[in-house]
Amino acid sequence: QVQLVQSGAEVKKPGASVKVSCKASGYTFTSYYMHWVRQAPGQGLEWMGIINPSGGSTSYAQKFQGRVTMTRDTSTSTVYMELSSLRSEDTAVYYCARDMTSPWGQGTLVTVSS
Amino acid sequence: QPVLTQPSSHSASSGASVRLTCMLSSGFSVGDFWIRWYQQKPGNPPRYLLYYHSDSNKGQGSGVPSRFSGSNDASANAGILRISGLQPEDEADYYCGTWHSNSKTVVFGGGTKLTVL
Repeated sequence: QVQLVQSGAEVKKPGASVKVSCKASGYTFTSYYMHWVRQAPGQGLEWMGIINPSGGSTSYAQKFQGRVTMTRDTSTSTVYMELSSLRSEDTAVYYCARDMTSPWGQGTLVTVSS
Repeated sequence: QPVLTQPSSHSASSGASVRLTCMLSSGFSVGDFWIRWYQQKPGNPPRYLLYYHSDSNKGQGSGVPSRFSGSNDASANAGILRISGLQPEDEADYYCGTWHSNSKTVVFGGGTKLTVL
């Protein structure tokens, strides 16, 4: 079946970086764009950016420009989201979502704490 | 870029029908956008429900019951999610979202917490 499986929870210190993976299966990886969305505790959804797994092109939300990098590995059907210069406000669950429809990954909790 | 505004909460009785609104900011026309709707229950990722652009351009998510439907209210410049025959399991947060092609970004509304009485 079509599914996205994300990497496990992370705890990071302020100023560090985190790299979250999202492995796709059950469909042609390069045929669908992948989005990253985050959700802080008790808050709404916040779009971070999009990557085209075919060519690797990206577009990021202005808020994250310069701090986020999205990449993909077509050999393993995996996309990655790396967020740098972490601060406490980056504590959130991070989701990958195929084409902003279905499926979504199960979410990865990133906690930023000293 | 556009801003989507949703009421923070809404409540309705089991069996009733509800209309959840997603208002598009001034300067943008809802008829120019494809509005997507998502349902999220605590501890789970969002679930894609449907998209609506027009009566001839709309789509239901896989496995989503037909009692969930989308429309536009041009007078309010808003996308609408209608849920008929409300069931207790429909109690959840509902988000609207749209792709803004000019800025190549996605915008989400703030979400509506739906309580089923």
